[in-house]
Amino acid sequence: DTGVSQDPRHKITKRGQNVTFRCDPISEHNRLYWYRQTLGQGPEFLTYFQNEAQLEKSRLLSDRFSAERPKGSFSTLEIQRTEQGDSAMYLCASSLKQNTGELFFGEGSRLTVL
Amino acid sequence: GESVGLHLPTLSVQEGDNSIINCAYSNSASDYFIWYKQESGKGPQFIIDIRSNMDKRQGQRVTVLLNKTVKHLSLQIAATQPGDSAVYFCAERENKFYFGSGTKLNVKP
Repeated sequence: DTGVSQDPRHKITKRGQNVTFRCDPISEHNRLYWYRQTLGQGPEFLTYFQNEAQLEKSRLLSDRFSAERPKGSFSTLEIQRTEQGDSAMYLCASSLKQNTGELFFGEGSRLTVL
Repeated sequence: GESVGLHLPTLSVQEGDNSIINCAYSNSASDYFIWYKQESGKGPQFIIDIRSNMDKRQGQRVTVLLNKTVKHLSLQIAATQPGDSAVYFCAERENKFYFGSGTKLNVKP
């Protein structure tokens, strides 16, 4: 499979627990994006990387959210001390910097915080 | 760049008719626009894109129109099919992409 893959696809957790999502982008893509999507809304930008550099993180929803891409390949998104309002679909996308700019999305990781 | 919005939340069309989905954007600096289709439980899927130096682009059964004067984007789907039923998002780019809230397209057989 040469698409963007995300793991886990579904995560149910109790409030206050930490969760981590992983994204494996398309192998030759140097840009990686994280979005959050709630029901009935479009994807909301969180952060993005070019290779291992995190170019913007000001949109991360709070200091409980952090993302890494240590080797410029896969990325992780961690949410600490989860709250019920964190329940959403977390989407990862990747692209080539110099291409048309099209984002290729994964199928998302759905988080439910009880 | 976050004020990307859609005029209609739901659009119902008869199979075989043409569909037009509209989108307004607010960022004059956006240089690139994309329409995405999202089926239930799946990630958004690219449909068609257009750069800001163009006003029209055609694909297979789909056409995107860009009116920079009024900051308006539209997606036209010809001969709409049941498989076109989904939520459609427009997205604008100024370094990163901002998405509108989506229009749900229902295709009636």
